[in-house]
Amino acid sequence: SAVISQKPSRDICQRGTSLTIQCQVDSQVTMMFWYRQQPGQSLTLIATANQGSEATYESGFVIDKFPISRPNLTFSTLTVSNMSPEDSSIYLCSAHLAGGVGDEQFFGPGTRLTVL
Amino acid sequence: GQNIDQPTEMTATEGAIVQINCTYQTSGFNGLFWYQQHAGEAPTFLSYNVLDGLEEKGRFSSFLSRSKGYSYLLLKELQMKDSASYLCAVDGYGQNFVFGPGTRLSVLP
Repeated sequence: SAVISQKPSRDICQRGTSLTIQCQVDSQVTMMFWYRQQPGQSLTLIATANQGSEATYESGFVIDKFPISRPNLTFSTLTVSNMSPEDSSIYLCSAHLAGGVGDEQFFGPGTRLTVL
Repeated sequence: GQNIDQPTEMTATEGAIVQINCTYQTSGFNGLFWYQQHAGEAPTFLSYNVLDGLEEKGRFSSFLSRSKGYSYLLLKELQMKDSASYLCAVDGYGQNFVFGPGTRLSVLP
């Protein structure tokens, strides 16, 4: 299994500023992902964080707005840039463990972001 | 395109059995996840099905039919703490995950 921590757990930010969310996994994982969960909705995949190369973004998400870093196999950051109230959401980091007894995906506790 | 469908809400009685269905149409398919999510918390992993058939894990079982694009999560001996949202997610090509809208289950005494 994998334990995932995120910082900060929550934040309240002003419009136009940026926030960087950190995600730390307690073991080396092949795949790390960033999701957004808006109030009352299911999870939406923002991007796959690739170690040593640029992240792969889903339709509707761009690098300028959500720059992602993944310097090694246990850590990733997501920045929400030039924030607006529409960015208020929970941002979840996730890691996928392949092999062994089966594939599993683990989630961090999430970062609750409120943009004023 | 990608489309995953689940009932929006279900209600069941404590001690009963409930089946939550998920149908999907995706451009690629490696497997299907089920997650449980309590309000205000991150989702927790329940199951991952790759092959057709039923997989049982205690009170929870998950079934997959790849040819029909269909899965269900079966919850037995329902408890009040099972009240939560249940998310179906497809593991597609490129290892990205597409989530369904979620089913909000209410367990009544």
